[in-house]
Amino acid sequence: EDKVVQSPLSLVVHEGDTVTLNCSYEVTNFRSLLWYKQEKKAPTFLFMLTSSGIEKKSGRLSSILDKKELFSILNITATQTGDSAVYLCAENTDKLIFGTGTRLQVFP
Amino acid sequence: DTGVSQNPRHKITKRGQNVTFRCDPISEHNRLYWYRQTLGQGPEFLTYFQNEAQLEKSRLLSDRFSAERPKGSFSTLEIQRTEQGDSAMYLCASSFPIFQGSTEAFFGQGTRLTVV
Repeated sequence: EDKVVQSPLSLVVHEGDTVTLNCSYEVTNFRSLLWYKQEKKAPTFLFMLTSSGIEKKSGRLSSILDKKELFSILNITATQTGDSAVYLCAENTDKLIFGTGTRLQVFP
Repeated sequence: DTGVSQNPRHKITKRGQNVTFRCDPISEHNRLYWYRQTLGQGPEFLTYFQNEAQLEKSRLLSDRFSAERPKGSFSTLEIQRTEQGDSAMYLCASSFPIFQGSTEAFFGQGTRLTVV
């Protein structure tokens, strides 16, 4: 079964910093790559990426996919304390295969 | 609320008891997924359905676990003879299938199971 690896596992920053979260995946039956944010309960959807090199953007968050190198990054600029969460990356191979997540803590 | 609904939200049970969880997906979605999540880990795939058909079940899943989606709408996940290692958050998600173009899955709030 395909494996999804996220790094770093944990990140502590101050408000205003920019962070980059990494996700690598395998390609047996790749359909898309998804990013989710998980605070206390259910993961909430952020981005779905299917094509290489096309940046998806939502406010201070952006993400891009490299299908040749099999990775994706999630950038958060000007971080705020409300960005503190676990960020999950999932490969869609007809079902979602999740990585372990990156725990981001943003301090004032 | 037209999101994914899971019941109960919390369940405490004694080891050896059977438990059943329910998931009501978004009504237009015909894909339904079950995941299990423990502290510090990402959601672990358990099984998924398209309409009433169970398409895949994780090879790692014990035969004490069974899921149904009898009419292609809500689904139940049953765990028989619970063990302490079954303590986790059980998440349900729903989506359109891939050939309909939209593949993001929407999650319910989860059922937290504690086996004592």
